[in-house]
Amino acid sequence: EPEVTQTPSHQVTQMGQEVILRCVPISNHLYFYWYRQILGQKVEFLVSFYNNEISEKSEIFDDQFSVERPDGSNFTLKIRSTKLEDSAMYFCASCCIQAQETQYFGPGTRLLVL
Amino acid sequence: AQTVTQSQPEMSVQEAETVTLSCTYDTSENNYYLFWYKQPPSRQMILVIRQEAYKQQNATENRFSVNFQKAAKSFSLKISDSQLGDTAMYFCAFMKHVGDYKLSFGAGTTVTVRA
Repeated sequence: EPEVTQTPSHQVTQMGQEVILRCVPISNHLYFYWYRQILGQKVEFLVSFYNNEISEKSEIFDDQFSVERPDGSNFTLKIRSTKLEDSAMYFCASCCIQAQETQYFGPGTRLLVL
Repeated sequence: AQTVTQSQPEMSVQEAETVTLSCTYDTSENNYYLFWYKQPPSRQMILVIRQEAYKQQNATENRFSVNFQKAAKSFSLKISDSQLGDTAMYFCAFMKHVGDYKLSFGAGTTVTVRA
């Protein structure tokens, strides 16, 4: 069964460093998302991406964040200059032909900023 | 903005028994989707069940069923014949039918199934 994959599974970085989190969505999906879950808290929407552009972003998704789909298969989230409060689990999700269908999540990347 | 509320931070259930998790939401939309996701200790987010608001019939998926009360804006999840593998955090989530397609999550309910 097709699944969303994410790499790396864990990343430790120093404050101020850039990180890139990678996702490979399900191949025929058209809508892509990033969510964040700070430990012990609920899952929060960061950004949605469709037709090679951002369709919506939350207030969390400030200028330090960017997304792109560089090669038609990978979907990346870049944090330019990490802060301690960026430590969280980051989930990629993808969805189907129509956005009103079910979003399928990857296994997540656990980011720790020291 | 949509608000999803899960009022039970933790629940415990004996194996083979039934447990019901509550979820309420606030929206002015008429058409929308509701979901329950399971997050086991591995922290993977797994879809449990989905309900379209325009469908009156409650969704079921094997041992999982929902009680969708649109007027009351309530969407509870019932886990029947609980199994040890059901131990996880359960999140209720809302998605609008048109416009933005993001999921809005509740705070989650930790379910522990006791042997």
